[in-house]
Amino acid sequence: TQLLEQSPQFLSIQEGENLTVYCNSSSVFSSLQWYRQEPGEGPVLLVTVVTGGEVKKLKRLTFQFGDARKDSSLHITAAQPGDTGLYLCAGSSSGTYKYIFGTGTRLKVLA
Amino acid sequence: KAGVTQTPRYLIKTRGQQVTLSCSPISGHRSVSWYQQTPGQGLQFLFEYFSETQRNKGNFPGRFSGRQFSNSRSEMNVSTLELGDSALYLCASSLVWDYRAYEQYFGPGTRLTVT
Repeated sequence: TQLLEQSPQFLSIQEGENLTVYCNSSSVFSSLQWYRQEPGEGPVLLVTVVTGGEVKKLKRLTFQFGDARKDSSLHITAAQPGDTGLYLCAGSSSGTYKYIFGTGTRLKVLA
Repeated sequence: KAGVTQTPRYLIKTRGQQVTLSCSPISGHRSVSWYQQTPGQGLQFLFEYFSETQRNKGNFPGRFSGRQFSNSRSEMNVSTLELGDSALYLCASSLVWDYRAYEQYFGPGTRLTVT
């Protein structure tokens, strides 16, 4: 069974601080996505990474896919209150037509 | 372009009853996936449909079923409801299913409470 463990589970930081969220598995994934979900809404896709070692940047967010395609990280620089939410990673393998979601990291950025 | 819509948004049912949830994907999207989200188990995959065919199914009991219509709209059904079925049920649609360029758009979900 493929599992994705995220750490930390909860994170409360002050505005302007940097943070990193980790997504780890013992399984290899063909692609990995990161989402952010806010209360009362469905998850919103932030990025998809497909190549081992790939790094993508989205404004203050930096995403990296591990060389072995078993792990990923999300780094936020100078966090803002608007970054508050539940961050989810999700992995997929080719031909399976499904994504396995991680356990989630709940981030709260205090003004 | 309208987003993914799910109806109803909130539902309260009693144990033993059955329920049907509906999902209308973004116009032109042919792949629809369903997920269950609970505080304890997180977001878990239920099933995926493409052109009315179920291509994959998660590890849920047979009480959970779904279908997709020719217009890509999808429904999921849960029979003989149990307290543990209380959850947020999310539907997601995509244009095609390509893991390399997969953009999955989620609806707001249906909050099901079983009493």
